[in-house]
Amino acid sequence: SQTIHQWPATLVQPVGSPLSLECTVEGTSNPNLYWYRQAAGRGLQLLFYSVGIGQISSEVPQNLSASRPQDRQFILSSKKLLLSDSGFYLCAWRDRTSTDTQYFGPGTRLTVL
Amino acid sequence: EDKVVQSPLSLVVHEGDTVTLNCSYEVTNFRSLLWYKQEKKAPTFLFMLTSSGIEKKSGRLSSILDKKELSSILNITATQTGDSAIYLCAIREYSSASKIIFGSGTRLSIRP
Repeated sequence: SQTIHQWPATLVQPVGSPLSLECTVEGTSNPNLYWYRQAAGRGLQLLFYSVGIGQISSEVPQNLSASRPQDRQFILSSKKLLLSDSGFYLCAWRDRTSTDTQYFGPGTRLTVL
Repeated sequence: EDKVVQSPLSLVVHEGDTVTLNCSYEVTNFRSLLWYKQEKKAPTFLFMLTSSGIEKKSGRLSSILDKKELSSILNITATQTGDSAIYLCAIREYSSASKIIFGSGTRLSIRP
């Protein structure tokens, strides 16, 4: 069966520090991968999506970037965090051959102080 | 601009009540509407709706899509405290990336 992992689960970082959040998927090949951010009590905002290795599309201009160095690995990064980057970051995957549904990882809660 | 609007934003009811959550959308290339339940962490999938008028049901939860009115409702009957969560509505578009546009969610709280 497929599983999706996110690391770390919780992170507290000072303003101006770098960021690296990791997402890995097991049990599937060539998935579509997505990064979302959820502000407190709000819906999910799509940040980036990827349809293959090295292919990244950005949905909103921001302080963050994404990379997909391997088929089942998706990384969210920042060189200098802002206070407004705080939130709950969710990674999701979709098997493009079978279903409309996206499956979410457990998320990373980021607090920038 | 494509958007998904949910109402109400927040709802508090007593255990045993029936609730109806609403979702309306404006998207260019509609493919399907999805409902998710989010408790403390990752959203979990509830329903996918593609055709108007066909009710999807799972236990006390049911949902139906109205493509003419560009909307969907999620019903929960005989609510329990375990139903307390944020309920997210989302639209999947026709595209190679299968982007999903989420609404802001309805926060449902069930009081014992």
